[in-house]
Amino acid sequence: NAGVTQTPKFRVLKTGQSMTLLCAQDMNHEYMYWYRQDPGMGLRLIHYSVGEGTTAKGEVPDGYNVSRLKKQNFLLGLESAAPSQTSVYFCASSYGTTMSSYNEQFFGPGTRLTVL
Amino acid sequence: DAKTTQPNSMESNEEEPVHLPCNHSTISGTDYIHWYRQLPSQGPEYVIHGLTSNVNNRMASLAIAEDRKSSTLILHRATLRDAAVYYCILRDSGGTSYGKLTFGQGTILTVHP
Repeated sequence: NAGVTQTPKFRVLKTGQSMTLLCAQDMNHEYMYWYRQDPGMGLRLIHYSVGEGTTAKGEVPDGYNVSRLKKQNFLLGLESAAPSQTSVYFCASSYGTTMSSYNEQFFGPGTRLTVL
Repeated sequence: DAKTTQPNSMESNEEEPVHLPCNHSTISGTDYIHWYRQLPSQGPEYVIHGLTSNVNNRMASLAIAEDRKSSTLILHRATLRDAAVYYCILRDSGGTSYGKLTFGQGTILTVHP
């Protein structure tokens, strides 16, 4: 099992450009999450999904859109990148059951994004 | 979400035990205590979790105070590979939480050879 994979690993954008980050998991998890981590900070939740075709806002959703067309993939889009979106982006997934309070989240290796 | 308080940093020597404290005085009865760690340049990884009783697994032990207002992650014999940022997180077991994690700044653990 590859677990959670993220594409690309690194990216540099100019202000105003758009891009899509891809997260894929092969564990048949229902729940998927996108976080961002700024230097010296903990992770903050951007958006999440509790199943195929569903998405919901997290703590810091502005400037991002997401889609979950297939259960194994969760896409994060930046329509018009800004320097404030320079960060490391992590995707995670977990089983989605009524016991979600203690199902562990599995994280990907991260995407390092720089917006100039 | 209930908040946790952890020391910014701690140091240990290799092969010695490490006790990482976490205060969570506003914890509710339905909050689980989770610990994750983040090795340098990697995504976080799950370490352990508990509700009321002390817990052990292959990575660590979790000691939970009787009033649940604090907990301690115990690494029994620290190795250089245990150098990481350790996050103590309260996870609401309510139906609308969807397993979301709220990360603080965590404790930076340095392990000396």
